[in-house]
Amino acid sequence: GENVEQHPSTLSVQEGDSAVIKCTYSDSASNYFPWYKQELGKRPQLIIDIRSNVGEKKDQRIAVTLNKTAKHFSLHITETQPEDSAVYFCAASYQAGTALIFGKGTTLSVSS
Amino acid sequence: EPEVTQTPSHQVTQMGQEVILRCVPISNHLYFYWYRQILGQKVEFLVSFYNNEISEKSEIFDDQFSVERPDGSNFTLKIRSTKLEDSAMYFCASIVGTGELFFGEGSRLTVL
Repeated sequence: GENVEQHPSTLSVQEGDSAVIKCTYSDSASNYFPWYKQELGKRPQLIIDIRSNVGEKKDQRIAVTLNKTAKHFSLHITETQPEDSAVYFCAASYQAGTALIFGKGTTLSVSS
Repeated sequence: EPEVTQTPSHQVTQMGQEVILRCVPISNHLYFYWYRQILGQKVEFLVSFYNNEISEKSEIFDDQFSVERPDGSNFTLKIRSTKLEDSAMYFCASIVGTGELFFGEGSRLTVL
């Protein structure tokens, strides 16, 4: 089955800096790669996703890149703000309706 | 905005007792899931449900677990004889088919 590795496990940045979180996946059939943000005590919420027919997607300060050949994808957050502090999870699945498999999460701390 | 709703928000039970966690997925969604998150750890897939039957399950979802859709709206997770290690946040989630997986707010299970 699919295995998703995520790193780093923790990331501390200064407000205004960029943050990059990286994930690799094992199943070359995977074609859907979302990123979820989870604030303390709350549910995971989708912040951005990408499908395998696209190499990059951007939404304001957040971008995701995908390299299908290398089987890795990354989350980029620019101009970080304290409210970006949370745990970020990457995930992968291979077709509609199949299980999303999550990485172990990255705790991002943005200090002002 | 439609939401996945879960009850109870928190349940405390004695080891060996049966627990039922309830979920109401978003009404036009077709796929339903249960995920588990042990405190401070990643979101782990348990089971997916489609067309009134289990479509996929993980190694965690052993004979102690069962799911049911007893009527047109509820989706339940039953743990027959709880163990200490079942203590976790249990998230129900649903999806139309493709796109965003919507999570409920979770049911925190504490096994004493």
